[in-house]
Amino acid sequence: QVQLQESGPGLVKPSQTLSLTCTVSGGSISSGGYYWSWIRQHPGKGLEWIGYIYYSGSTYYNPSLKSRVTISVDTSKNQFSLKLSSVTAADTAVYYCATMVPNDYFDYWGQGTLVTVSS
Amino acid sequence: QSVLTQPPSASGTPGQRVTISCSGSSSNIGSNTVNWYQQLPGTAPKLLIYSNNQRPSGVPDRFSGSKSGTSASLAISGLQSEDEADYYCAAWDDSLISYVFGTGTKVTVL
Repeated sequence: QVQLQESGPGLVKPSQTLSLTCTVSGGSISSGGYYWSWIRQHPGKGLEWIGYIYYSGSTYYNPSLKSRVTISVDTSKNQFSLKLSSVTAADTAVYYCATMVPNDYFDYWGQGTLVTVSS
Repeated sequence: QSVLTQPPSASGTPGQRVTISCSGSSSNIGSNTVNWYQQLPGTAPKLLIYSNNQRPSGVPDRFSGSKSGTSASLAISGLQSEDEADYYCAAWDDSLISYVFGTGTKVTVL
């Protein structure tokens, strides 16, 4: 069974870049079959899909966030990462990594990590 | 702003049947499969129903999903206290070219 764990700073200053890493265990990113995804949830609000990466490095981002998002993969470490630039308080959220069956559903989720944007 | 609309809340007593609706459009529910996620308080979402009406291994058969046209529904029969959670529908949207989640429904067991 695939397990995912998010890691990264819990506090980011406005205008800076949010950086998170998702470490995968119980499965290999390189095995294919999944899109490795990021999703966020603003406090007390609903879910928002951010984007995904395939093991080959192909990416697709939510058009509403595309200009600020970069997702990368390190198959040697079995990790994938999220960078969100020029953050504001509106980017304060719990960020989840998850496995996505291509353009369909998310079946494995990390526990989530709260990132607060504040000076 | 979500393109999939759900009622903000639903409730029932133990043993009752509760149904949650999810209204979309031809570009999402109307042309793609619907998935449902359960989020217990303080935890990550969990896949509850995929491909409109399929249950992942381990999900009780009290949970069932259906889809008709541009709407979908999640039914919980034999409601239990541990079913108190937020429930989200979701689907791929061909117009937005994005995965979209519903607004979420909080289920309360009275």
